[in-house]
Amino acid sequence: AQSVTQLGSHVSVSEGALVLLRCNYSSSVPPYLFWYVQYPNQGLQLLLKYTSAATLVKGINGFEAEFKKSETSFHLTKPSAHMSDAAEYFCAVTAAGSGNTGKLIFGQGTTLQVKP
Amino acid sequence: SQTIHQWPATLVQPVGSPLSLECTVEGTSNPNLYWYRQAAGRGLQLLFYSVGIGQISSEVPQNLSASRPQDRQFILSSKKLLLSDSGFYLCAWSALGQGYGGYTFGSGTRLTVV
Repeated sequence: AQSVTQLGSHVSVSEGALVLLRCNYSSSVPPYLFWYVQYPNQGLQLLLKYTSAATLVKGINGFEAEFKKSETSFHLTKPSAHMSDAAEYFCAVTAAGSGNTGKLIFGQGTTLQVKP
Repeated sequence: SQTIHQWPATLVQPVGSPLSLECTVEGTSNPNLYWYRQAAGRGLQLLFYSVGIGQISSEVPQNLSASRPQDRQFILSSKKLLLSDSGFYLCAWSALGQGYGGYTFGSGTRLTVV
């Protein structure tokens, strides 16, 4: 079984500061890992994904995440926050080779606030 | 390219009334389909998923049901809505057998039961 824990339901940063959103996963098999962003009253948009290739994954809008197996982590970072980054972010995991269902297990989400 | 359509965008329904939310996918065949709910201040709860026509798996017991009458159509229903059914409902699809692809989400339906 897989699970995801996002540390911190709310994160606040100043514009231009480093963004760090934490995600730890649990999986008994090699995982695929994802970060999604959700703006108010919208669906979720894929930011980036790890699928067992490079451990440092670059996504859209300047975000990146590093897969660290030893730490079972997949933290999301961005060097410099923009006001437009304010949103809710979800980390998700699925088992590699999960067959027909491909079900994603989502974390509880982290709301990112960017202060001017 | 693949697109996913979800409607309506917003809905206000009285307690005890029926519900029907529809989701359709274009540009792909045999998708896995999912219904999620977001209650205020909470994460995503998987309600139903489907790997084929007429094949529905329910994740949690509840007042809702789902159907897949066609390959690319997924419907969420209720015979009698409860106040606790309020929330943001999201439909999503993924490619069959390809967990590495992740999901593509619809734009969601905001349901308020009054």
